[in-house]
Formats: sequence, C-alpha cells, structure tokens
Amino acid sequence: KAGVTQTPRYLIKTRGQQVTLSCSPISGHRSVSWYQQTPGQGLQFLFEYFSETQRNKGNFPGRFSGRQFSNSRSEMNVSTLELGDSALYLCASSFQGGPNTEAFFGQGTRLTVV
Amino acid sequence: QQQVKQSPQSLIVQKGGISIINCAYENTAFDYFPWYQQFPGKGPALLIAIRPDVSEKKEGRFTISFNKSAKQFSLHIMDSQPGDSATYFCAGLNTNAGKSTFGDGTTLTVKP
Repeated sequence: KAGVTQTPRYLIKTRGQQVTLSCSPISGHRSVSWYQQTPGQGLQFLFEYFSETQRNKGNFPGRFSGRQFSNSRSEMNVSTLELGDSALYLCASSFQGGPNTEAFFGQGTRLTVV
Repeated sequence: QQQVKQSPQSLIVQKGGISIINCAYENTAFDYFPWYQQFPGKGPALLIAIRPDVSEKKEGRFTISFNKSAKQFSLHIMDSQPGDSATYFCAGLNTNAGKSTFGDGTTLTVKP
C-alpha cells in the first residue's frame, strides 16, 4: 500500500510569489491534514479536509488556503509569500479522522522563500 | 493557545538507559494520544498511541504512561539505542473533530 505522497519535495520561491503544494493520501483515506513545521514552532496545524470540505482550520492568515478533490488528493496554496513562510509543510492522511484514526505523514515539502 | 506542553526540549541519554519524555494537555475533549517519531528529512511516523481509559500501554521497548486526572502522559524508551535518536512528538486528538494538536517536540540523542 503506497504511503502519503507529497510533491514537490523541495521548492525555492521569491517573496511575493504564490505556491501550490500537493498531497496524495493513502488509498481509502478521506481525511487530509496540513501542518507547518519550523524549528522554533514545532508542528502547527493549518487545516483539515474531509470529503472535499474543510472541517478544521488552524490559526493561519487567509494567505494559506487549501482544497480537496473528489479522489481525496489535496492541495495547499500560499499566496504573497513571506520570508517567514519558509518551513517544512507536512501532509497527513487518515481513514476518517474518527476512532482508529491514526494519521500517516508524508515526507513533506521543504519550502524556502528568498 | 498551547494545548499540549512537551518536555524536555532536548534529551541526551547513554545507550542502554531509559529515555523519558513528558506531555501535559489542557483540552479535555482529547480522546486519543499518539506519539510520533521523526528522523531528519522524514515526516513523523506513528510510534505508539493510547486512549484515556488505559493507564499504560507497552509495545516492545516503548511504553506510554497515562494519568487522566493529572492530564499528563509520558513516553518511556527502555534500553535506549543510538537508532532511537530522533525527534519525538506527543499529540492530543479529538477524534470526533478529527483535529490533532502536537507538542513542540523533543530531540533525543542516544550516545553509544
């Protein structure tokens, strides 16, 4: 069974640009969550999608948005990039987000904003 | 609001020793407490998890101890090995809401 796949693995962008990250969950998983990981802030929850609907949202500005497609694949978009957006962005999928709801993480996308 | 507090931030243990990482939570809606292990360049991987109706869970060298009244739980790594050197995250999960809250992580170094 394939794991969670995130693309691309690495990105370098310039301040002010926008970026789109992709996450393909484990087959059969309907819940996809996104996290930002930085050395000083740990794992910060961005949002969770379940059956194409955003079910939970963290405390990030509106520049961070996401969506989920009918095949459960998810994308995250960051507009007007800032230097502070440099981080490892992790995607996690789980079956349904309820009981027996272990989350499986991808390897992440390392975003560097210059 | 920091809802899961993890300590220590870093930990150095000799090979064969016991590594102990502690977490405390505030949100009483949490009903599932997983621990994740993350190696450099990799995403976190589920290590072991516990539900609040159980006081202890053991899987091999890894044990979670859970104190519901104190809202605390801890990870014990027995006979620590250099290969255990990684960052460990505790988390609290409200399974109805499907949202996990992570601690800030503990970087464990096991010296040979």
